[in-house]
Amino acid sequence: AQSVTQPDIHITVSEGASLELRCNYSYGATPYLFWYVQSPGQGLQLLLKYFSGDTLVQGIKGFEAEFKRSQSSFNLRKPSVHWSDAAEYFCAVGGPNTGNQFYFGTGTSLTVIP
Amino acid sequence: GAGVSQTPSNKVTEKGKYVELRCDPISGHTALYWYRQSLGQGPEFLIYFQGTGAADDSGLPNDRFFAVRPEGSVSTLKIQRTERGDSAVYLCASSLISQETQYFGPGTRLLVL
Repeated sequence: AQSVTQPDIHITVSEGASLELRCNYSYGATPYLFWYVQSPGQGLQLLLKYFSGDTLVQGIKGFEAEFKRSQSSFNLRKPSVHWSDAAEYFCAVGGPNTGNQFYFGTGTSLTVIP
Repeated sequence: GAGVSQTPSNKVTEKGKYVELRCDPISGHTALYWYRQSLGQGPEFLIYFQGTGAADDSGLPNDRFFAVRPEGSVSTLKIQRTERGDSAVYLCASSLISQETQYFGPGTRLLVL
């Protein structure tokens, strides 16, 4: 069965520090990979996605993610975190081989301290 | 352009009552999805529409849950005989074609007392 693991439930970083949020998936084929961000009381906003090709993808708000097939990972990174980045981050898998669903991880809550 | 909209934003009801949650997808998007997000969890798939038909309803938890999309645009999620365990945020998403990027609405927060 498909699964998405985000091992870090909560992360705290200082403003200006770098950030890496981990995501691992369990799937027989390379799925489409997504990162979404959810601010309190808001819907999910797409940060970036990977379908194929270059394994380093750039997204909005200065985020990037790297797909590593050998590790079944799709970690999200940002070189310098801003206070406005505090939110819940979800990794998701989808695509032609997952049926019609997206499978989401349980999320990582990011706190940014001054 | 307009994104996915959902109404109401909040709904409080009593156990045993019937509720309807509405989703208005992005114009032109043929695929529409419903998810349920419980506190501290990621969204969980409920049902997927391609056009007017429910192409995959395998995520609906039981027969109290039903959804329609009669004209291939707006969709309504219907919950009969609500239970306290139904309390969650119900998210709707749409995509231009299935299996592509999904765009989410702000959700409806349902509280069953």
